[in-house]
Amino acid sequence: NAGVTQTPKFRVLKTGQSMTLLCAQDMNHEYMYWYRQDPGMGLRLIHYSVGEGTTAKGEVPDGYNVSRLKKQNFLLGLESAAPSQTSVYFCASSYSGLAAEQYFGPGTRLTVT
Amino acid sequence: GQNIDQPTEMTATEGAIVQINCTYQTSGFNGLFWYQQHAGEAPTFLSYNVLDGLEEKGRFSSFLSRSKGYSYLLLKELQMKDSASYLCAVRVPAGGSYIPTFGRGTSLIVHP
Repeated sequence: NAGVTQTPKFRVLKTGQSMTLLCAQDMNHEYMYWYRQDPGMGLRLIHYSVGEGTTAKGEVPDGYNVSRLKKQNFLLGLESAAPSQTSVYFCASSYSGLAAEQYFGPGTRLTVT
Repeated sequence: GQNIDQPTEMTATEGAIVQINCTYQTSGFNGLFWYQQHAGEAPTFLSYNVLDGLEEKGRFSSFLSRSKGYSYLLLKELQMKDSASYLCAVRVPAGGSYIPTFGRGTSLIVHP
């Protein structure tokens, strides 16, 4: 089992460019999450999904969109990147909303210049 | 809103015991988690408390008091490899489901 994987690992964008981050899990988990982590700010939830075809906003959703067309994949899109979106992005999954544990991917380091 | 507080940084000596506190004020509660995160890596699960009391797992223990909105993570026999950030997260109700909300993390530095 690969667990949770993220693509790409690193990316540099210019302001205004768009990109999609891909998260994949092979554990048949229902819940998937996208977080961003900035120095001194902890993990902040961007969007999450409670099952295939569903998405919901988290704490900091502005400037991001997501899709969950297949249960194993959760995509995070930036339509027009801004320097404020420079961050490390983590995807996570859990078996359910009441599961004892989230499993995290290795992270994507994004720099917007 | 949700408020989860942890000290920003702590230092301790190898072989010692350290206690990392977490206090929370949230709109609902359905469990508290502790994660460990080494620099440049993903968080990894350490412990989960949903009822009051102490949960022990090897050198690590976690305590919860729901009435006080308080938890701590206790690390015994500290090793250099325990230098990491420790994240406290509380699971709160959101739109018919439950979602973890994280504190800002405590950076623990273990020195010889």
